[in-house]
Amino acid sequence: DTAVSQTPKYLVTQMGNDKSIKCEQNLGHDTMYWYKQDSKKFLKIMFSYNNKELIINETVPNRFSPKSPDKAHLNLHINSLELGDSAVYFCASNGGGETQYFGPGTRLLVL
Amino acid sequence: DAKTTQPNSMESNEEEPVHLPCNHSTISGTDYIHWYRQLPSQGPEYVIHGLTSNVNNRMASLAIAEDRKSSTLILHRATLRDAAVYYCILRLSDNNDMRFGAGTRLTVKP
Repeated sequence: DTAVSQTPKYLVTQMGNDKSIKCEQNLGHDTMYWYKQDSKKFLKIMFSYNNKELIINETVPNRFSPKSPDKAHLNLHINSLELGDSAVYFCASNGGGETQYFGPGTRLLVL
Repeated sequence: DAKTTQPNSMESNEEEPVHLPCNHSTISGTDYIHWYRQLPSQGPEYVIHGLTSNVNNRMASLAIAEDRKSSTLILHRATLRDAAVYYCILRLSDNNDMRFGAGTRLTVKP
């Protein structure tokens, strides 16, 4: 069984569009995260979400908004997509211990 | 910000041990040292973590310097499946954030 899953795996879209990436974890974890990995392979945390408390990395544009319908899901909505948003986005979860479990990634390409 | 410094790349021969170094000279007293690896086209995968003492698990060993300003991930017998980017990360004690660096790309030669 997949612990942390993301959909879609690939997303190709035009500049200016709005898109969402979905993340689900079946580990019963309380904390979920979104990371962005750019073309230089640097992984940067975007958000962490724990029991309805959202912690935002201050460098993330407000075009990005996480939405959590329930504890098992943390979706990422992106408005007015820009070329620079092209990257691989990873969802992760943590159950209070030291280990984060990452999803397989969503490869976003903005044309 | 606490940061880590790793070599960009390393090579190893299959079946030989690999020592992956990491410097973290600005580490705070309660920051944990984590290692993750990322195989091609996959998400990062937890390898090991520690605070002060050396740690062993089924995947690797972590040797932490006495002053905690550096650490070394040890793969005892590298296999081709160990080829990946290895990230040394500090989990900051004040906010639990994990700050990834550039990582070390490990190539394992048959």
